[in-house]
Parts: sequence; C-alpha cells; structure tokens
Amino acid sequence: DIQMTQSPSSLSASVGDRVTITCQASHDISNYLNWYQQKPGKAPKLLIYDASNLETGVPSRFSGSGSGTDFTFTISSLQPEDIATYYCQQYDNLPRTFGGGTKVEIK
Amino acid sequence: EVQLVESGGGLVRPGGSLRLSCAVSGATLSTYGMNWVRQAPGKGPEWLSYISSSSSTVYYEDSVKGRFTISRDNARNSLFLQMSSLRVEDTAVYYCASGYGYFDFWGQGTLVTVSS
Repeated sequence: DIQMTQSPSSLSASVGDRVTITCQASHDISNYLNWYQQKPGKAPKLLIYDASNLETGVPSRFSGSGSGTDFTFTISSLQPEDIATYYCQQYDNLPRTFGGGTKVEIK
Repeated sequence: EVQLVESGGGLVRPGGSLRLSCAVSGATLSTYGMNWVRQAPGKGPEWLSYISSSSSTVYYEDSVKGRFTISRDNARNSLFLQMSSLRVEDTAVYYCASGYGYFDFWGQGTLVTVSS
C-alpha cells in the first residue's frame, strides 16, 4: 500500500495568515493526489484534485502543488470558516489511501 | 444537486451482519463509479470498496475482502454494502462517495457500532 504522510498533524494560525500543509507519498504517485476538508460531524469535502486543480465552487485562496512524492496544500489567507481537518489522498494505486490529517485551528 | 443518503447503520454484535444502503438523488447513478469509505472515531478516512458504473469492476481493501460485498441497483439509484463477520474494529461512520480517483460527492454517513 502507498503510505501518505502529512505534516504537521496540527497547526494554529491567525486569520489572514498563509497556511501550508505537506503530504509525502511512499512511492511516486505522479499527480494523482487530492485534498479534502472535513469539518466536525460532516463528510469530507473535495477541494483539490490531481494535485493542483480547484474543485468547482471552492474559493481561490485554496491551492495545491507538487508531483511525484511531495505535495503542498496552501491556504493563502486563513479565514475563520477554514477551521477543519485537511486530508490528502492518493489514487495512483489501490487501495486508495489517505494521509493522517492536519487539524487547522485559529490562534 | 447530487445528494447521497446512507442508511442501515446501527449496533451489531461481533460476528454479525449488516446491510448499508446509499440512495442517490439529483443524478443518474448509472453514470458514476461509487465507493464506500469509513472513518473510525478520531481517525482519518479509510477507503473500503469501489464498484464501476456497470458493476463490471469491483475492488476491496484487504481488511474487508471476503467479508464485505459492494453492489448497486442503477434502476433504483441505490448503492449497497453487505457486511458480514463484523469485528469491533469495523466500528465507524460509513460514507458512500462517488468517483473513481477522487471522491466528489459524499453522503452524510451512517454509524456502525460493533460491540458485545
């Protein structure tokens, strides 16, 4: 199985800050990497697919980059409604696997 | 708007069985590959199974292979997960989600608790 390692596991930032989360794959997964946002008690929501493509309706402050084994997810200006846990997920191979998550809080 | 609604969760004894359903509205199910994804309390999501639009292709994660069966009824716009030989570690919220590589629509989830 492809292991997905996210860091940090949690972070605290101020409103307006730039927030960056990294995700490392145990094998080369090309750009088959997606990012989700999950708020408490809710299902995950797709934000970014294929490493850098913004899902329809998702604010442009969210972005993704990377290929191969190293990926980055960025919130350019943190907003209060962005408080959530973020997960990366690969689909280069079966089983589809998720990272351990990054919990984002407001300082 | 595409909506997915899971049902069928509940409390079951270890070794028991349960059948989950996912009703799809706002879209024609036959155009989508579908998945089941679960999330144990305090943990990240875990993909379990995929079924293609025509049911010709199915995949399972190893820990549920042989115990869980995914199926669909496109005429009823419904997806199913038959779960048997349930274990305590199967306790989780179970979601249905559309897509093959990325999961773009999700249901609200149904809680399965396996406990004696």
